[in-house]
Amino acid sequence: GAVVSQHPSWVICKSGTSVKIECRSLDFQATTMFWYRQFPKQSLMLMATSNEGSKATYEQGVEKDKFLINHASLTLSTLTVTSAHPEDSSFYICSAVTGNTEAFFGQGTRLTVV
Amino acid sequence: GQQLNQSPQSMFIQEGEDVSMNCTSSSIFNTWLWYKQEPGEGPVLLIALYKAGELTSNGRLTAQFGITRKDSFLNISASIPSDVGIYFCAVIQGAQKLVFGQGTRLTINP
Repeated sequence: GAVVSQHPSWVICKSGTSVKIECRSLDFQATTMFWYRQFPKQSLMLMATSNEGSKATYEQGVEKDKFLINHASLTLSTLTVTSAHPEDSSFYICSAVTGNTEAFFGQGTRLTVV
Repeated sequence: GQQLNQSPQSMFIQEGEDVSMNCTSSSIFNTWLWYKQEPGEGPVLLIALYKAGELTSNGRLTAQFGITRKDSFLNISASIPSDVGIYFCAVIQGAQKLVFGQGTRLTINP
């Protein structure tokens, strides 16, 4: 299947700093990318939908000013967690779709805010 | 938003046993998906179901799309240690957005 690469795999940052997570589709052009958050022992919850060249669409309850999403090309979307706090510590996962119904997921990024 | 009810939440079985898990919803969906997630990884698609009543196999895995389009089940036959992980059902809502069930955590005793 298609490959989606997420970087970094894990990151530890100090409270108040910002962290950028990259999601790349390596062998296909992704018309849409999605960002999910997963807390321990819980399911994946959609945060936002990212379309190339347009503003991201955020799910209810997700602060767009805190979770900045940029989708500059058909192969790259970035999620920036601004002014991170310990409660933002979570597993962040992206997925990319090619236009058909199958979504391919990145390997996830574990964010720990200390 | 739409919620999927997935059960059981966890399973502890012996190697070689068969496993069954299911998902139900209050709404009708045109696609049911089953994913597996291993620790520290993103989910990987196991089986996709596109038609009500469809029964699809992938090796030892078999999944069915319920005839009412409101449910689906996943069976794993003759479990092996590498089957350990969390299994999620998912449906597509709106513009290719995935909604996931709560997950079934599978633990296998050798």
